[in-house]
Parts: sequence; structure tokens; C-alpha cells
Amino acid sequence: EDQVTQSPEALRLQEGESSSLNCSYTVSGLRGLFWYRQDPGKGPEFLFTLYSAGEEKEKERLKATLTKKESFLHITAPKPEDSATYLCAVRRGGGYNKLIFGAGTRLAVHP
Amino acid sequence: EAGVAQSPRYKIIEKRQSVAFWCNPISGHATLYWYQQILGQGPKLLIQFQNNGVVDDSQLPKDRFSAERLKGVDSTLKIQPAKLEDSAVYLCASSFHGGENIQYFGAGTRLSVL
Repeated sequence: EDQVTQSPEALRLQEGESSSLNCSYTVSGLRGLFWYRQDPGKGPEFLFTLYSAGEEKEKERLKATLTKKESFLHITAPKPEDSATYLCAVRRGGGYNKLIFGAGTRLAVHP
Repeated sequence: EAGVAQSPRYKIIEKRQSVAFWCNPISGHATLYWYQQILGQGPKLLIQFQNNGVVDDSQLPKDRFSAERLKGVDSTLKIQPAKLEDSAVYLCASSFHGGENIQYFGAGTRLSVL
């Protein structure tokens, strides 16, 4: 059965304190791993798609990496405005672009 | 470019009542999705439309939930009758059919069933 597990559930950082969020997955025929950001009261906002092991993508203070079993979202020198829930999702082969989401990591960055 | 529009933003109903949610996708997006997000969980796909046809409704509780997408644009999701466990945020997303198929989400409708 396809499964996505994110850790930690919650993370509190001081401004400037770098860290990583983890997304481990089991899926039949991965056709993309997606990272989204969700602010309170809003829908998920697309950040990155990764397709193959070894791939990396960056956007401002965020860098996403992918292995055959997990993905990491690295946050470098975070700012309070990076506070949000970060969701990981996988798309399996043979489906109709169906995404299976993890429960997310709630990140709080304090000044 | 206008994003995915959803209404209402909030809805409070009694159990056994009915409720409907509306979604207008991004212009030109052929695929439309309805997700249920329970507090503390990730979104779960309920139903997916390609134009006005259903391609996946395997996790839709069909005894109480229904959805339609007339003319391949707007969509409505209905719950009748509602149960306490239906309290959640209902998210609509859309994607262009082709390329990376990125799903773009609306702000959602927060439903509270009392």
C-alpha cells in the first residue's frame, strides 16, 4: 500500500537556525514527489517536484532532495515568514495524477 | 492569473443536514480534484474529474457524497446527510492536462458539523 510519512510532526526553530524536514515514502512506481507549503486558513501552495533519486531543487532558503526512499526539505537560515505546514505528496505510476499526502510538518520559526 | 475559487469559506450545519460546496478552477485546466483535509492530516482525494467525466472516485463515500462538473468547468460537491466525522476542510484543486500536471489549490471550505 502506498504510504507517505513525514517527520517530525512539529518543529520549532530560532530565526537563522537551519534544519531539515523528512518525508519517507513507499509507492509503486514513483512518478513525482511534491512539496507544498500550507499557511493557516489557506490551501496548499506548490513548491517543488522531484522525479528521480539524486535530483535537487532550490527556491530561496529551501532546498529539496530525493533518494529512492525519502526526500528532505532543507531550510537554511529560516525567517519567521517561513513558518507554515510543509506537506509532502507522491504520485504513483498508472494513476490519474492522484497525489497521496503525508500529514505534514508544522514549522514555527521564532525571532 | 486568477487562482482556484471556492465558496463558501465557512459553513456550520447540524448533523443530518445537507451542504454544498462550489469550485471554479483555473481557466484552461481540464482536471479538477476535490480533497478532504481533516485537522492534523494531509489532504485525501475524494474525486477527480477529467473535463466533465469522473476518472477516480474510489475514496468518495457515495452513500452521502456526490459531485458533478457540468460543462467541464465549475464543480459542486454535496454531502447529504452530513455526519459529525465530515467536519473538515474541503479543498478544490485543478491542473492542466499535460506537462508536470501540477495541482493548484483553492483556499478551501471549512465545514463544521454539530
